[in-house]
Amino acid sequence: DADVTQTPRNRITKTGKRIMLECSQTKGHDRMYWYRQDPGLGLRLIYYSFDVKDINKGEISDGYSVSRQAQAKFSLSLESAIPNQTALYFCATSDGNTGELFFGEGSRLTVL
Amino acid sequence: QKEVEQDPGPLSVPEGAIVSLNCTYSNSAFQYFMWYRQYSRKGPELLMYTYSSGNKEDGRFTAQVDKSSKYISLFIRDSQPSDSATYLCAMSALNSNYQLIWGAGTKLIIKP
Repeated sequence: DADVTQTPRNRITKTGKRIMLECSQTKGHDRMYWYRQDPGLGLRLIYYSFDVKDINKGEISDGYSVSRQAQAKFSLSLESAIPNQTALYFCATSDGNTGELFFGEGSRLTVL
Repeated sequence: QKEVEQDPGPLSVPEGAIVSLNCTYSNSAFQYFMWYRQYSRKGPELLMYTYSSGNKEDGRFTAQVDKSSKYISLFIRDSQPSDSATYLCAMSALNSNYQLIWGAGTKLIIKP
């Protein structure tokens, strides 16, 4: 089983719908992140959390919200999806000692 | 202007060639430099990690940092078709809690 698991892997939805992307990890890391990846733009940080009670906005948090339900679980929500939120979304974890990030396999979201 | 610039490619070379991948950056505070490799439909994985200036070698891979020129490179010797992937550079400043700034990624194709 993967250390960082994202669900769903693929999702097609319509404008205005609420969407939740879920992430769970078995690495025992305190730090969790949500990124989006767009062609030509690389990875951009949406939200990050250094422990269950700590939630921080990244560079592109508008239109997104997150919930850290437990050390191992970090969910990303789009309250009212719009087409320019069509992207590949990655969850990642780190232990905070080396800076190395461990990524899930991604969730491809298409908003029509 | 982006903080980190990386040519998106694609870069196509024959098997066995030496590959050079590069990133330039503008923030002189960056101290940690990383190269991640991302295969199609997968999350990025850490390939090389360098602190401050200098070279680091790991098998066929060499990472090089030139802080005076704000330029980092990844060299791949004896390239193999299995090296075909997107290579992303990432960097962070000291005391930034390892908040990474990413390049857009270079798609590399090794032709058999």
